[in-house]
Formats: sequence, structure tokens, C-alpha cells
Amino acid sequence: DTAVSQTPKYLVTQMGNDKSIKCEQNLGHDTMYWYKQDSKKFLKIMFSYNNKELIINETVPNRFSPKSPDKAHLNLHINSLELGDSAVYFCASSQGAGQPHEQYFGPGTRLTVT
Amino acid sequence: DQQVKQNSPSLSVQEGRISILNCDYTNSMFDYFLWYKKYPAEGPTFLISISSIKDKNEDGRFTVFLNKSAKHLSLHIVPSQPGDSAVYFCAASEEGAQKLVFGQGTRLTINP
Repeated sequence: DTAVSQTPKYLVTQMGNDKSIKCEQNLGHDTMYWYKQDSKKFLKIMFSYNNKELIINETVPNRFSPKSPDKAHLNLHINSLELGDSAVYFCASSQGAGQPHEQYFGPGTRLTVT
Repeated sequence: DQQVKQNSPSLSVQEGRISILNCDYTNSMFDYFLWYKKYPAEGPTFLISISSIKDKNEDGRFTVFLNKSAKHLSLHIVPSQPGDSAVYFCAASEEGAQKLVFGQGTRLTINP
């Protein structure tokens, strides 16, 4: 019974395309996050939503637009994909906006832009 | 500017011995620290944490030590088991900051 799930697991696409990654959590958590793991392996936060409201937006190009239809879902849409967007994207969730501790991560989506 | 650094990209340890993974941070406002474990093709999973008001936290084979004056924490695994082979990430947060800052990870290999 998957706690945090992401689709797709792998995504290969060409420069200039628009793509979306979906995330769902069944833990009843209030807060969800998107992280990017780049080629240097650092996990860096991109966005955080609490009860469908954006609470963190970390210097991410506006080609990236998160959308939270409800507190169990946080999707990531990327416009005009660039080579530098190639990375692994992780979705995560936690209970409580003021407590980012003990986040639960999805399996990741490996995005390759050619 | 990386506020959390794990300077050893990899570590190899004999099964049954102690594994010590290190992490340094620069932000003195960090007040909570966590270790995550990651297997290939999976997301990171929470392992153990420590608040800045403590200097040690233990959970079974895993112990985290915090040295605030040195801005350094370490994870001890004893005894090390083959299933401990994974990438270990150190992470930190400031009170109310609502986000975790991660290091780049250390790949631990336990040799039988």
C-alpha cells in the first residue's frame, strides 16, 4: 500500500516540450513538497504546499508550475523543457506545515530531456 | 552555497564493524537534524533525527551525535549489516522554516 506515489517513474522527452508529473499521498498529511535531485546528487526543495496553498517557492524558473487540486495531490507541470531540467524529481509529504521533519518521499521520477 | 555538506561521497565498511557517516553544516539557525537512507530507484526514507537541545539520540543500531560548537553531526551504525548498504543523506531545518536542507549524500557499502 504505497504511501507517496509518483507517475511516471521515467520520462524521456525533447527540448521545448511540456510535461507533467503527478504525485499522490494517502497518509493524510497536510503538506506536500517537490524536490529536484541534480547531477551533483543534492536534493533541493522546489515547492511546498500546505492544504493546497503554496508556502515555499524556491527560486525556480516560472516554467515550473505546481498545482494542488486537493491536499492529497501535488502535480508538477513543466513548460518548454530544457536540457538542464534533466534530473530526478521527488515528491514528499509531511504532517504539519511548521514541522518539515520526517518527510515521506515518493520513489522519484527520472526526467531526461534530449 | 551549500549549507549542509557531506564530504565523503563513499564509505566502505566490513560487516559487523561500525560505520560512521559525517555531516557538517554552516547555518547556526538550524535546530533539527535528520538522517535519511536511500536505496536505488527508491525515495529517501527517514532514519533518525536529533534536536539541537540534545547531543545524542539512539535508536537500535543507529546513533546520531550532534556537536553544535563544531557544527558537525555524525551517524553511527553498529554493527553494520549488508542491508545497510545505501546512500545516506543528512538534512537540517530551521525552526519555522518549513523546509529541509539536504547534503549530497554518502554511499555506504557494507562488505561481507
